[in-house]
Amino acid sequence: GIQVEQSPPDLILQEGANSTLRCNFSDSVNNLQWFHQNPWGQLINLFYIPSGTKQNGRLSATTVATERYSLLYISSSQTTDSGVYFCAPGGYQKVTFGTGTKLQVIP
Amino acid sequence: SAVISQKPSRDICQRGTSLTIQCQVDSQVTMMFWYRQQPGQSLTLIATANQGSEATYESGFVIDKFPISRPNLTFSTLTVSNMSPEDSSIYLCSVYGGQNYEQYFGPGTRLTVT
Repeated sequence: GIQVEQSPPDLILQEGANSTLRCNFSDSVNNLQWFHQNPWGQLINLFYIPSGTKQNGRLSATTVATERYSLLYISSSQTTDSGVYFCAPGGYQKVTFGTGTKLQVIP
Repeated sequence: SAVISQKPSRDICQRGTSLTIQCQVDSQVTMMFWYRQQPGQSLTLIATANQGSEATYESGFVIDKFPISRPNLTFSTLTVSNMSPEDSSIYLCSVYGGQNYEQYFGPGTRLTVT
């Protein structure tokens, strides 16, 4: 099956700082999503982005499908951004979750 | 998007017993997914449930251990059978929503097996 690597595994940011999270995957995909799991365990879909660039407020994501990677940008981080960020590439029937990036934003 | 509820939200069970988890969606969906998240780990797909057909299980998961029902287009259940402490995990229900293949998740069921 598809292999998914996320980096960095852990990240601590001062509030207001910017960061870039990376997701590398081993096979071509037609589905890629980014999720945020908050400290209470709820998973929120941030982006559906099999290719190209999307922005939603302080967050943006870029997927370069031909090079098999995706990036999630967080600007002006806030304490509410804390949690685990997962990328999930795959097909229409199934996606594979990466190992996640655990982000802690400190005031 | 889709609004998904799960019952129970958490439970503590004794080894050897079974627990059935319910998933309710606010709209009709073709595919429903069941995931497991072990402590500190990522999500692993257990099975995909389509209404009117047998669930499709991923490698490492079997129907005898994780029987799934899908009686209609808004509801599904996952049973964790003959539980052991290794089954202690969060179990999550998920569906596609929106215009694309965006997945939405229920709040999860936190299971502890003693």
